[in-house]
Amino acid sequence: SQKIEQNSEALNIQEGKTATLTCNYTNYSPAYLQWYRQDPGRGPVFLLLIRENEKEKRKERLKVTFDTTLKQSLFHITASQPADSATYLCAFNDYKLSFGAGTTVTVRA
Amino acid sequence: DAGVTQSPTHLIKTRGQQVTLRCSPISGHKSVSWYQQVLGQGPQFIFQYYEKEERGRGNFPDRFSARQFPNYSSELNVNALLLGDSALYLCASSLRLAGIPLSSYNEQFFGPGTRLTVL
Repeated sequence: SQKIEQNSEALNIQEGKTATLTCNYTNYSPAYLQWYRQDPGRGPVFLLLIRENEKEKRKERLKVTFDTTLKQSLFHITASQPADSATYLCAFNDYKLSFGAGTTVTVRA
Repeated sequence: DAGVTQSPTHLIKTRGQQVTLRCSPISGHKSVSWYQQVLGQGPQFIFQYYEKEERGRGNFPDRFSARQFPNYSSELNVNALLLGDSALYLCASSLRLAGIPLSSYNEQFFGPGTRLTVL
């Protein structure tokens, strides 16, 4: 069955550093991969989408890569800020979203 | 513009009871999907409705049911509650049927969720 795995451990980083999150998938070849941000007790908020034929996508301080050979996506937050502290989820999209468990990022001032 | 709204915000029930959760999609959106998110996990797909018809169902027991009304709002019902049903229930809406190819017509927007606690 399809499986999505994200860094199981929380990530604690110093303000200004780059956070790098990993999303690995098996038994699936997604046409799209999406990244969402979720704050405690709130619904996920869409951040970025990357297509299978795109290697890299950027939005402000966020960067996503998609390696269909490695079956992996990397999500980078550059020049991190305390306001970036949240849980970040990766997801496949077909008729439904299939999410990973998420990685919690804490940025220390 | 109002986003997706859900009610109630929080709910406490006991085992064996029944619960109804409500969702109002973004104005103009015709598709509603429901997800269950257990603490520490990602959201899991339960149902998708489009134009008042069920268009997809996740791996959940028949105790879970839903419907969509003519105004495109939706209700999720869970019967015979179990402790394991304690979770954040999320509703997401999209203009059209969620699926691929992905476009602005089927991007899903999430509501704030209903936190259900089963004692």
